[in-house]
Amino acid sequence: QQQVKQSPQSLIVQKGGISIINCAYENTAFDYFPWYQQFPGKGPALLIAIRPDVSEKKEGRFTISFNKSAKQFSLHIMDSQPGDSATYFCAASKPHDMRFGAGTRLTVKP
Amino acid sequence: NAGVTQTPKFRVLKTGQSMTLLCAQDMNHEYMYWYRQDPGMGLRLIHYSVGEGTTAKGEVPDGYNVSRLKKQNFLLGLESAAPSQTSVYFCASSAATDTQYFGPGTRLTVL
Repeated sequence: QQQVKQSPQSLIVQKGGISIINCAYENTAFDYFPWYQQFPGKGPALLIAIRPDVSEKKEGRFTISFNKSAKQFSLHIMDSQPGDSATYFCAASKPHDMRFGAGTRLTVKP
Repeated sequence: NAGVTQTPKFRVLKTGQSMTLLCAQDMNHEYMYWYRQDPGMGLRLIHYSVGEGTTAKGEVPDGYNVSRLKKQNFLLGLESAAPSQTSVYFCASSAATDTQYFGPGTRLTVL
């Protein structure tokens, strides 16, 4: 049973557009919600993360929106660039137990 | 500072063979993890370690064993490989129980 559900599976966006990826979790014990970016042949790299005591966190073009009551969180990529083309994973974590979504393959067309 | 390194990068095994994957980190992190990544399933935790000499089971531990004899190294063993263990394996380490830093992965094929 997948504890973190991620959508969409794939996403195509034009350069300069906004990319939005959504995730939902079930276990209210999770207290840390990171997003990882993965390029082909590489390991996942932390992009941005949030804790449930805040509703939004922004770092440059990347923003996490968090809705604790709905148990949902999302990643927004503003002004999407071709270099952002990668697979993005959301995750929900409690100590030593990080559960990942299935991933979203983002393609940004020039 | 190499971060997290994994050896080998690629390996092909026959069913029933054994092998050990090595993970090394130079960040002095206490916590280390082994994951497998399969298409459409994200990453799933196999085993983890909260310090030298300690290991614990994750979400999908069956068919794997681990050891952490030195703080900087975390070994993942397959005693009798099965085709279902064909996957990409990632090691990660962390200083606290949040941000994990991942290695480049090992692509394993079991025939």
